[in-house]
Amino acid sequence: SQQGEEDPQALSIQEGENATMNCSYKTSINNLQWYRQNSGRGLVHLILIRSNEREKHSGRLRVTLDTSKKSSSLLITASRAADTASYFCAKNSGGSNYKLTFGKGTLLTVNP
Amino acid sequence: DVKVTQSSRYLVKRTGEKVFLECVQDMDHENMFWYRQDPGLGLRLIYFSYDVKMKEKGDIPEGYSVSREKKERFSLILESASTNQTSMYLCASSLPGANVLTFGAGSRLTVL
Repeated sequence: SQQGEEDPQALSIQEGENATMNCSYKTSINNLQWYRQNSGRGLVHLILIRSNEREKHSGRLRVTLDTSKKSSSLLITASRAADTASYFCAKNSGGSNYKLTFGKGTLLTVNP
Repeated sequence: DVKVTQSSRYLVKRTGEKVFLECVQDMDHENMFWYRQDPGLGLRLIYFSYDVKMKEKGDIPEGYSVSREKKERFSLILESASTNQTSMYLCASSLPGANVLTFGAGSRLTVL
């Protein structure tokens, strides 16, 4: 089953604008991660947030986690054309340290 | 630079052929994974391995098998390829614990 469903499915913005992507999940988590995928390539890890954390920053990325709502958001500030990619959230499945379960992703297009 | 290397970026095979997808990592990671990625379905876990000769089924193991004879190498085997196995296959590895995945570039398989 899919856990970590992203919203929206696609997002198109202009360079310099902020992009916000959301992720919902159904069961408890150990941590939640965000990955980026450029077209036709593998995924690259961006940021991890643990279940006892509420917010985390990395450069232009800001991730929040609301465990009461079972949701997370990824904010990219001052977007660039090079940020154009698909973004996935991934949930560390409860009871196992091995598996990550991915959502279907948000396709972000940043127009120059 | 640490790497997960997938031996073939593009493969074209015929229905009924046996297909081997090879993945090698140089990070001494215990865990290795095979995902397939299809439009609209996101990433789905096929198999994973947490040690040499150890394997566990993921969410969609039917039609696939795996082999992990050495720590650095994890092979995905399609015993008799079918057209519905046309997909992008992604290999990943991780250390135990937080389970941040490092992905290969992907292998795009077309079964005719």
